[in-house]
Amino acid sequence: EDQVTQSPEALRLQEGESSSLNCSYTVSGLRGLFWYRQDPGKGPEFLFTLYSAGEEKEKERLKATLTKKESFLHITAPKPEDSATYLCAGLTQGGSEKLVFGKGTKLTVNP
Amino acid sequence: DAGITQSPRHKVTETGTPVTLRCHQTENHRYMYWYRQDPGHGLRLIHYSYGVKDTDKGEVSDGYSVSRSKTEDFLLTLESATSSQTSVYFCAIRGPLAGNEQFFGPGTRLTVL
Repeated sequence: EDQVTQSPEALRLQEGESSSLNCSYTVSGLRGLFWYRQDPGKGPEFLFTLYSAGEEKEKERLKATLTKKESFLHITAPKPEDSATYLCAGLTQGGSEKLVFGKGTKLTVNP
Repeated sequence: DAGITQSPRHKVTETGTPVTLRCHQTENHRYMYWYRQDPGHGLRLIHYSYGVKDTDKGEVSDGYSVSRSKTEDFLLTLESATSSQTSVYFCAIRGPLAGNEQFFGPGTRLTVL
């Protein structure tokens, strides 16, 4: 069964304190690994797609990396506005183009 | 902004009543999706559509039906709502980029009493 697991469930950081979020996956024939940000009461906002092990993508203070078993979202010198829930999803093999989502990591950055 | 709207944004209904949620897109995307999001679960796919009148089931389709008679509208119907269908429902479209990214609407919060 295709599965995506995110850890930790919740993370509290001080402003400027860098850290990483983990997304491990068992998705057969993974065709892409997606990261989203979700603010309370809103829909998920697309951040990154990674396709192959070793790939990295960056956006402001965020950098996403991918290995054959997991992905990391590194947050460098976070600010309070980075507080959100970060979701990871794997795109399954086949023509249905289905995303399998993890439960998310709730990040809180204190000033 | 992927040009997706959902209506209603909030709804309270009673067990046993039919409910229809609407997703509307303005950019002619072929693929549209309905998800539900519940505490302790990730986003779970209910149904999806790959064109007008072309739909298929997702992971949690029991108790739900969908219709797509126009490219821009994807309707989710709960034929007889139950309390277990209390959730936040998100519509998504597959965007124009080559990488199959999905873009989400603002969500509908449904409460079934």
